[in-house]
Amino acid sequence: AQSVTQPDIHITVSEGASLELRCNYSYGATPYLFWYVQSPGQGLQLLLKYFSGDTLVQGIKGFEAEFKRSQSSFNLRKPSVHWSDAAEYFCAVGISGGGADGLTFGKGTHLIIQP
Amino acid sequence: DVKVTQSSRYLVKRTGEKVFLECVQDMDHENMFWYRQDPGLGLRLIYFSYDVKMKEKGDIPEGYSVSREKKERFSLILESASTNQTSMYLCASSPGGGGANVLTFGAGSRLTVL
Repeated sequence: AQSVTQPDIHITVSEGASLELRCNYSYGATPYLFWYVQSPGQGLQLLLKYFSGDTLVQGIKGFEAEFKRSQSSFNLRKPSVHWSDAAEYFCAVGISGGGADGLTFGKGTHLIIQP
Repeated sequence: DVKVTQSSRYLVKRTGEKVFLECVQDMDHENMFWYRQDPGLGLRLIYFSYDVKMKEKGDIPEGYSVSREKKERFSLILESASTNQTSMYLCASSPGGGGANVLTFGAGSRLTVL
């Protein structure tokens, strides 16, 4: 079965600084990879996804992520964070042919922005 | 704008009560899901459905049941609520077809069982 690890439970970043959130997955074949963001009291919003092709994918709100097969990673980056980026971030993996089965999520990384 | 609507944002129930959580999507999606979200545990899949009247157990189905009588509606039922079911419940939907699909989530229903 597939699994997702987000090693950092909390990350604190100063406003304007760069950000990288880590995600490692376990799956035998090429996975479908996602990053979602959850603002306080809200549902999850899709930031970006990787299905195939270019391993660097661009998402909304200035985020990008890079798929590295050799490291089984899909890290999320942003060059300059804003206070509004404070939220919970979830990495998720889906499997080929498993559309009806949903996604497997990591436990999340809580991002705190310092002024 | 496409939407997944969860009818109750906040509920407070007593132990032993029967609880219904309703979810409606307007995207004509085949697949619908119920997840439970708890601090430090992330999202865990309770049940999913890939068609009307069809349902499949997820990772933590114990204590829950579901109903999908219409394509757009997916209900989560707690037959006899317990305090350990206090949680945030998230409904999601996705289109049919092969491969993993993007899930669209509702805003969540926060349930407190006293």
